Amino acid sequence: DAKTTQPNSMESNEEEPVHLPCNHSTISGTDYIHWYRQLPSQGPEYVIHGLTSNVNNRMASLAIAEDRKSSTLILHRATLRDAAVYYCILRGPGIRGGSNYKLTFGKGTLLTVNP
Amino acid sequence: DTAVSQTPKYLVTQMGNDKSIKCEQNLGHDTMYWYKQDSKKFLKIMFSYNNKELIINETVPNRFSPKSPDKAHLNLHINSLELGDSAVYFCASSQGQGYYNEQFFGPGTRLTVL
Repeated sequence: DAKTTQPNSMESNEEEPVHLPCNHSTISGTDYIHWYRQLPSQGPEYVIHGLTSNVNNRMASLAIAEDRKSSTLILHRATLRDAAVYYCILRGPGIRGGSNYKLTFGKGTLLTVNP
Repeated sequence: DTAVSQTPKYLVTQMGNDKSIKCEQNLGHDTMYWYKQDSKKFLKIMFSYNNKELIINETVPNRFSPKSPDKAHLNLHINSLELGDSAVYFCASSQGQGYYNEQFFGPGTRLTVL
């Protein structure tokens, strides 16, 4: 499985933008970059995903480097509710039941949001 | 309406007992999953079913047996519970098995084996 590297933790202030980095230097051309987050005592929650172009949705933006070896999840105005562990995950085509059909979670980045 | 629900939310039991965790999704998805999150917070997939057919079975002891009576339900039965089974178990679902598909997770079942 292609691996991702994220900082263990980051801190932000409420209502400020947050940029969460992810390195994935071994990404293949068909791997999608997915972001999930897990709020305290809850199940993981989908945030966003992309392949090559930058993506925006109501929750966040995903900026993908031109060489695709890194990406950044952007929360435009952090709120206290955004405090969570953020996971950057690569998923690509594989054989039926193969490794890329599942989500492989790493340690993620623990985001703390200060009031 | 809850999209992916699990029962029970908490389960405390003795070593050696047999227990089941139930999962239901009302999203109309055809693929369901079980994940385990251990005390160190690592989330790892255990099983995946697509249209009631098992498609992923990670290296999980035979004591764990998933059952999918229909596309909306995926239950997890655990025999002869051991201390190391203590964890939070999450059910998830998605439409299709594609690597671009979003997975929706349930709230989790915290299992404590004494």
